[in-house]
Amino acid sequence: NAGVTQTPKFRVLKTGQSMTLLCAQDMNHEYMYWYRQDPGMGLRLIHYSVGEGTTAKGEVPDGYNVSRLKKQNFLLGLESAAPSQTSVYFCASRPLTSGRRIRDEQFFGPGTRLTVL
Amino acid sequence: DAKTTQPTSMDCAEGRAANLPCNHSTISGNEYVYWYRQIHSQGPQYIIHGLKNNETNEMASLIITEDRKSSTLILPHATLRDTAVYYCVGRPLDDKIIFGKGTRLHILP
Repeated sequence: NAGVTQTPKFRVLKTGQSMTLLCAQDMNHEYMYWYRQDPGMGLRLIHYSVGEGTTAKGEVPDGYNVSRLKKQNFLLGLESAAPSQTSVYFCASRPLTSGRRIRDEQFFGPGTRLTVL
Repeated sequence: DAKTTQPTSMDCAEGRAANLPCNHSTISGNEYVYWYRQIHSQGPQYIIHGLKNNETNEMASLIITEDRKSSTLILPHATLRDTAVYYCVGRPLDDKIIFGKGTRLHILP
């Protein structure tokens, strides 16, 4: 299993350009998440999904859109990139389990490093 | 919005036990506490989780206070490879999992 993969690994954009970050997981996980990480800020939740076709806002959703058309993929879109969106973006997935005591942690991808000039 | 608070950084001597505290006084009674660590710029990795009983696995031990307002992650014999940022995270029922800033642990040789 590849686990959680993210495409691309690096990207440089100019202000106003758009792009889509792709997260894919091959573990049949129900839940998927997008976080951003800025220096000294920890991880901040952008959007998340509790199943195919569903999305929900996190802590910092402004300027981003997401889609979960297929269970294994979670796309993060930037319609008009701004320098404030320069960050490292992490995707994570988590299984749906019947018992909360069961180990059902988040699995993270390697991250996408985005620079907006 | 993070429901957990942790010290910004800590030092620990190599070979000694590293005790990382976390305050989670606002999490609900059914909300599990998870610990992750992030080495360099990699994605965070799971360490351990618990609800109200102490837990131990091959990586660490988790001590949760009886009132569930705080917990301590224990790395029994810290090595240089344990240098990382450690996150204490609540797992709410709505699955809106929010990380705080974590604790940057420095293992000193």
